[in-house]
Amino acid sequence: EADIYQTPRYLVIGTGKKITLECSQTMGHDKMYWYQQDPGMELHLIHYSYGVNSTEKGDLSSESTVSRIRTEHFPLTLESARPSHTSQYLCASQTGGREQYFGPGTRLTVT
Amino acid sequence: SQQGEEDPQALSIQEGENATMNCSYKTSINNLQWYRQNSGRGLVHLILIRSNEREKHSGRLRVTLDTSKKSSSLLITASRAADTASYFCATDFQGAQKLVFGQGTRLTINP
Repeated sequence: EADIYQTPRYLVIGTGKKITLECSQTMGHDKMYWYQQDPGMELHLIHYSYGVNSTEKGDLSSESTVSRIRTEHFPLTLESARPSHTSQYLCASQTGGREQYFGPGTRLTVT
Repeated sequence: SQQGEEDPQALSIQEGENATMNCSYKTSINNLQWYRQNSGRGLVHLILIRSNEREKHSGRLRVTLDTSKKSSSLLITASRAADTASYFCATDFQGAQKLVFGQGTRLTINP
């Protein structure tokens, strides 16, 4: 098991709420990623970071934002959740050899 | 699209049989990686094969890479019920800063 953690694992919230999904890793990796994945479907990259104070948008348009103030921490925030945000969110960090370690995911349901 | 295409989308076999999954891509790569995802969980890195390698083994896994055909295959020998999962290829394209994941193959091992 890799040392990358995501909280909460499951979240049900109402439309319009602001939420933050947490992701932490203890491996000292500089590169971190957020993916969105619907059940049984492919992964879509929504944000990534090369290190502290570095963030980039991914391939999938997203109404979320990220921050990278510490190497180990890469939270994702939705300012106003909508039912279309219902999905699984996966966080990953990358080794120097370019292998990615994934957290267990957060399954988000917006009602 | 640079995305890896996986084939088949779903595969169901009997325990003890071998399972083969294929991945094709479109542009030059640094390496190609295979990941496993159990239902509702994050992805787990299985194996990485570099562009100058043709075959790699890890336990019951065998990965081949044919850069002239821009394709890779993952073979799982002597399958077990615990191998039931989705398997994704991820391509590390030259000049890119992120992995691109395929849509996955859903493998079911029947006891």
